[in-house]
Amino acid sequence: GESVGLHLPTLSVQEGDNSIINCAYSNSASDYFIWYKQESGKGPQFIIDIRSNMDKRQGQRVTVLLNKTVKHLSLQIAATQPGDSAVYFCAEYAGNQFYFGTGTSLTVIP
Amino acid sequence: GAVVSQHPSWVICKSGTSVKIECRSLDFQATTMFWYRQFPKQSLMLMATSNEGSKATYEQGVEKDKFLINHASLTLSTLTVTSAHPEDSSFYICSAGGGDYSNQPQHFGDGTRLSIL
Repeated sequence: GESVGLHLPTLSVQEGDNSIINCAYSNSASDYFIWYKQESGKGPQFIIDIRSNMDKRQGQRVTVLLNKTVKHLSLQIAATQPGDSAVYFCAEYAGNQFYFGTGTSLTVIP
Repeated sequence: GAVVSQHPSWVICKSGTSVKIECRSLDFQATTMFWYRQFPKQSLMLMATSNEGSKATYEQGVEKDKFLINHASLTLSTLTVTSAHPEDSSFYICSAGGGDYSNQPQHFGDGTRLSIL
């Protein structure tokens, strides 16, 4: 099957610092990628997406970077806030299906 | 826009009970919806693809007679866990998108926590 991320790493950052969450994917044919945020007991919430013809896309306080050469995706959160604490998933679209990574648990320290 | 509603949010029931979970697209039509299962601290596991007006497509290892899916309208898909047992306890989440999945995100419901006693 597809492999998008392997473990559930954790990341702790101080409030106000920038956060970088990484994701590796395995299917070089994937052409659409999404980052989701999931808070405890809730469904994943769309954050930002990027297509394979782009290397970078910016949203409000978030930036997604795509490196197709090494099949790597990252999510950068600027000025991290306590409300950003959640599990973040990357997803790739391949073969008419979305594949989700294991997720990264982000904890923001006040 | 693109709101997906899931109901109920939490179910506690006895072993042997069948439980129905609803997934609705509130402001768009969804010919396809997806059902996922999620265990604590783990990622989403796709169970099946629900297709409006036709049979669902199940992932390998998912029992179609155990997890019945019905997608009778463009805004509603249901997942029925038949004769549920404690091992079926999990967080079930549905998603739907508005069109071309190759360039549009899936939008998720808030999940249903199923606890079988």
